[in-house]
Amino acid sequence: EVQLVESGGGLVQPGGSLRLSCAGSGFTFSDYWMSWVRQAPGKGLEWVANIKQDASEKFYVDSVKGRFTISRDNARKSLFLQMDSLRGEDTAVYYCARDIQTGSWSPTPSAYWGQGTSVIVSS
Amino acid sequence: SYVLTQPPSVSVAPGRLATVTCGGNNIGDKNVHWYRQHPGQAPVLVIYDDVERPSGIPERFSGSKAGNTATLTIRRVEAGDEADYYCQVWDANLVSEVFGTGTKVTVL
Repeated sequence: EVQLVESGGGLVQPGGSLRLSCAGSGFTFSDYWMSWVRQAPGKGLEWVANIKQDASEKFYVDSVKGRFTISRDNARKSLFLQMDSLRGEDTAVYYCARDIQTGSWSPTPSAYWGQGTSVIVSS
Repeated sequence: SYVLTQPPSVSVAPGRLATVTCGGNNIGDKNVHWYRQHPGQAPVLVIYDDVERPSGIPERFSGSKAGNTATLTIRRVEAGDEADYYCQVWDANLVSEVFGTGTKVTVL
C-alpha cells in the first residue's frame, strides 16, 4: 500500500524557517516525480514545487522561488521542503504527493497524497 | 501566468447528472486532470489525461474536452459526491502545475 506521511509543520514567525519532510513507503520512491501542494485556510489548491526522480529538475511556483527549496533522498525514501523567509501568505496545509506514472520524463498527475501538515506563519 | 477558470458552485439532485467545467487558453493542447476533495481530507485523483479513470474510481465519473473547455461529468450523482472539484494541467511552457479555481458540488 502506497503511503505518504508528512511532518515538520508548526507555528513560525514571519521571516522564519521550517523544513517539511515526507516519508514514502509501499512503492519504489526513486521511480516517481514528487510534489508539494498547499491549501490556505478556506482556499483552493496551489501547487508549490515538484522534483524529478533523480532531482535533476526542480520547478517552483513563482511566489516561492528563492525562498523554498525542494529536495529528496531516494535512499531514505523521503521528500523535503525547506521553507525560508516565511510570510503570512504561506500559511496553509502542505501536502506531499506522488505522480501516477513511473519513469516519466515530465510531471504527471498526482495519484497519491499524504494527509498534510499544517504551517502557520504568525507573530 | 496560466489561469484555469471553474464555476464556484454546482448544485444537482441525487440521481441526476452533474457537469463541472474548466476553461483555459489553449487547454486543448494540454492534458487535463481532475481531483475531488472532501472537507478536511486530501485530494483524490478522479480523472487524468482528459478522459482516463484511475483504478477504484467509478465509471460514473468521466472527462471530456472541446475547444477551450474541459468538462468533468458525474452521472447518477450520490450524496457522497458532494465535494470540491479541481481541474489541473501541467503548463510545459511555464514549467508549472496549475490548479483551477475549484467548484463546490452540492447534492440537493
